[in-house]
Amino acid sequence: DIQMTQSPASLSASLGETVSIECLASEGISNDLAWYQQKSGKSPQLLIYAASRLQDGVPSRFSGSGSGTRYSLKISGMQPEDEADYFCQQSYKYPWTFGGGTKLELK
Amino acid sequence: EVQLVETGGGLVQPGKSLKLTCATSGFTFSNAWMDWVRQSPEKQLEWVAQIKDKSNNYATYYAESVKGRFTISRDDSKSSVYLQMNSLKEEDTAIYYCTWIGDYWGQGVMVTVSS
Repeated sequence: DIQMTQSPASLSASLGETVSIECLASEGISNDLAWYQQKSGKSPQLLIYAASRLQDGVPSRFSGSGSGTRYSLKISGMQPEDEADYFCQQSYKYPWTFGGGTKLELK
Repeated sequence: EVQLVETGGGLVQPGKSLKLTCATSGFTFSNAWMDWVRQSPEKQLEWVAQIKDKSNNYATYYAESVKGRFTISRDDSKSSVYLQMNSLKEEDTAIYYCTWIGDYWGQGVMVTVSS
């Protein structure tokens, strides 16, 4: 199975601060990577697919980048509503696998 | 409006079986690849299974942790996807979500495996 190592496990950001979350795949995944946001008590919501493509309706302060084995999610200007858990997922090879998650809090 | 509604969860003893149902509406289900994803009490997400559409021969794929115990199936006439879970273990305790293309998720259903 492809292992997805996500970091950091948690972080705290101030209003307006730029935040980055990373995922490292155990092998190349050819940009078959998605990022999800999950708010407390809710189902996950797709933010980014194909590593860098913004899902419809997602604010433009969210962006994804990367290639090969290294991928990142950036939030350019932390907002209160961005407080949530974030997960990466690879869909390059079965079984699909998720990263361990990042808990983002507002400082 | 796309809707996915999971039912069938509950408390079950280790070794027993349970069948989850995900009823869908608002999209062409017969063309859809459907997934089950679960979330442990520790909040870790785990992809569980996928079933493709008829044009892909209803191919199925499973996480190693459930292979041989869980079976994903679908009924296109009912726009529903199922997860038959046998030989349940305590570590199968989780919220189970069905999802379409990762963009649409159900509200989730809780499965608790405990004696």
